[in-house]
Amino acid sequence: TQLLEQSPQFLSIQEGENLTVYCNSSSVFSSLQWYRQEPGEGPVLLVTVVTGGEVKKLKRLTFQFGDARKDSSLHITAAQPGDTGLYLCAGDEESGAGSYQLTFGKGTKLSVIP
Amino acid sequence: DAMVIQNPRYQVTQFGKPVTLSCSQTLNHNVMYWYQQKSSQAPKLLFHYYDKDFNNEADTPDNFQSRRPNTSFCFLDIRSPGLGDAAMYLCATSTGLAGGSEQFFGPGTRLTVL
Repeated sequence: TQLLEQSPQFLSIQEGENLTVYCNSSSVFSSLQWYRQEPGEGPVLLVTVVTGGEVKKLKRLTFQFGDARKDSSLHITAAQPGDTGLYLCAGDEESGAGSYQLTFGKGTKLSVIP
Repeated sequence: DAMVIQNPRYQVTQFGKPVTLSCSQTLNHNVMYWYQQKSSQAPKLLFHYYDKDFNNEADTPDNFQSRRPNTSFCFLDIRSPGLGDAAMYLCATSTGLAGGSEQFFGPGTRLTVL
């Protein structure tokens, strides 16, 4: 099983600030996904990046996949209290029998203070 | 709306008393997963089904069993819950295809062991 390191583990910022969350691995993934999880709920997919160097934008969120497909970053511009949650990156790897499974990072717990 | 449903949302059981958690999906996805998530940790894969093929993670305790009677339903059985099994249990589905097979998560069942 490949490992994904996320940093920082905890982040507390003021509303309006910018932030970046990092997801790093020594292994190559066929794709990488970012999820947001709110307390007491399941993770919700934000984006999937597939191509090395790919950049995707989702309103104030910008996702980048490293050229070598080993790392990814999530940048949030002008954070809002509604962005508060646990951000998880997950890499896609084949688990055999034609199916794929995700390896999750430990997550970044973001708190945006009004 | 197509979705992943988990019942119950909250489950309380006694130490050693068997418990079953259920998951259903209307997405008609081939793959169903069960994860265990403890507080402030990443989801940990317990096992998954590709159609009827069962795949157990090497470190999943024997205390955990699963059944998938048909495409739509999957069950997690904990034969003798211990205090350390208290966690959020997440069910997820995916098409199982390569290169960005997103997983769709249910809201989770929070298990308390007394």
